[in-house]
Amino acid sequence: GESVGLHLPTLSVQEGDNSIINCAYSNSASDYFIWYKQESGKGPQFIIDIRSNMDKRQGQRVTVLLNKTVKHLSLQIAATQPGDSAVYFCAESRTGANNLFFGTGTRLTVIP
Amino acid sequence: EPEVTQTPSHQVTQMGQEVILRCVPISNHLYFYWYRQILGQKVEFLVSFYNNEISEKSEIFDDQFSVERPDGSNFTLKIRSTKLEDSAMYFCASRKTGGVTGELFFGEGSRLTVL
Repeated sequence: GESVGLHLPTLSVQEGDNSIINCAYSNSASDYFIWYKQESGKGPQFIIDIRSNMDKRQGQRVTVLLNKTVKHLSLQIAATQPGDSAVYFCAESRTGANNLFFGTGTRLTVIP
Repeated sequence: EPEVTQTPSHQVTQMGQEVILRCVPISNHLYFYWYRQILGQKVEFLVSFYNNEISEKSEIFDDQFSVERPDGSNFTLKIRSTKLEDSAMYFCASRKTGGVTGELFFGEGSRLTVL
């Protein structure tokens, strides 16, 4: 079955630094990837997505990079702020599917 | 901003009891989902629902689970006879369009504790 995993379960960064959260996936048929942010006691919140025909996509302070060769996905957060502290999940799916498979999650802690 | 709402926020039940978790998806959305998250673990897909029927379900969604859209606004998840391992946070989600493109909106979850 599908397997979406994260390299690091926790990440601590200083406020103002850039954060990089990594994710590996194993299903080569996956062609759609999403990053979600989950704050304590809340549901996952969509951050950014990317299709497999792209290597990079930028949003507001966030960038997602996709390396299909090694099945690796990363989320970069620029100038990390205390409000960015949360658990970040990558999720994957593929064309024709109607669900998402989530990774385990990385807890990002921003140190003021 | 429109949002998915879920009730109750927390339910404690005895093993073997029936539980119904309720969700009100965003009003113009057509695709509805239930996910669950056991404490400290990843979010797991349970079921997707469209046009008043299940479109896809996972292995977790066995005969003890059912979903229903009893009216134009509510979307419910029923667990007929709860087990200890059903203890988790259950998230409802909705989407305007089908497939996986486009944003999936999650509710804040219903925490189920089975004793």
